[in-house]
Amino acid sequence: DQQVKQNSPSLSVQEGRISILNCDYTNSMFDYFLWYKKYPAEGPTFLISISSIKDKNEDGRFTVFLNKSAKHLSLHIVPSQPGDSAVYFCAASLNRDDKIIFGKGTRLHILP
Amino acid sequence: DSGVTQTPKHLITATGQRVTLRCSPRSGDLSVYWYQQSLDQGLQFLIHYYNGEERAKGNILERFSAQQFPDLHSELNLSSLELGDSALYFCASRIRQGMNTEAFFGQGTRLTVV
Repeated sequence: DQQVKQNSPSLSVQEGRISILNCDYTNSMFDYFLWYKKYPAEGPTFLISISSIKDKNEDGRFTVFLNKSAKHLSLHIVPSQPGDSAVYFCAASLNRDDKIIFGKGTRLHILP
Repeated sequence: DSGVTQTPKHLITATGQRVTLRCSPRSGDLSVYWYQQSLDQGLQFLIHYYNGEERAKGNILERFSAQQFPDLHSELNLSSLELGDSALYFCASRIRQGMNTEAFFGQGTRLTVV
């Protein structure tokens, strides 16, 4: 049972444009959501998070949007830069039991 | 540098063997998580320890076990290894349970079973 789903295995975006990565979840009890970025042969690096009581959180070029009714969140990267090429993981956490569940990831390619 | 240290970085071993992966969390972090990443797969949650006690289990095989010691470092023990156990194993730490904060990951241990 995959509770966090990233349905796009890969995404290609022109440098300077907006990258939008999507994530769906099934457990309405999740109360905290995170995005991680991963380069090959490295551990995942935290990017940005959002609490379930908010619908938007912004940090520089990164914005996460949460739509609880649709059980959907998205990560916007504007403008996209070559260094953004990586695998992005969406994750969800339940405060009560503290597990952090990850999606399968989306590989983002930023094209010159 | 996330502050989470995993050793060894690489491990090659034969089927049927047993290995131990070690994780030192960030200073002050009480929660330790273990994840497995197989080829082109997501991060599969294995197990979570908090301040020495097991808190949650994911899809962890019975051949695998873990513990967290009084100094908060953690070890993941994998026994009777099979070819399919070849994967990247990541450890992550989080400051404490019940707080919505990010978890910090180590660089991972790449296990190859031959």
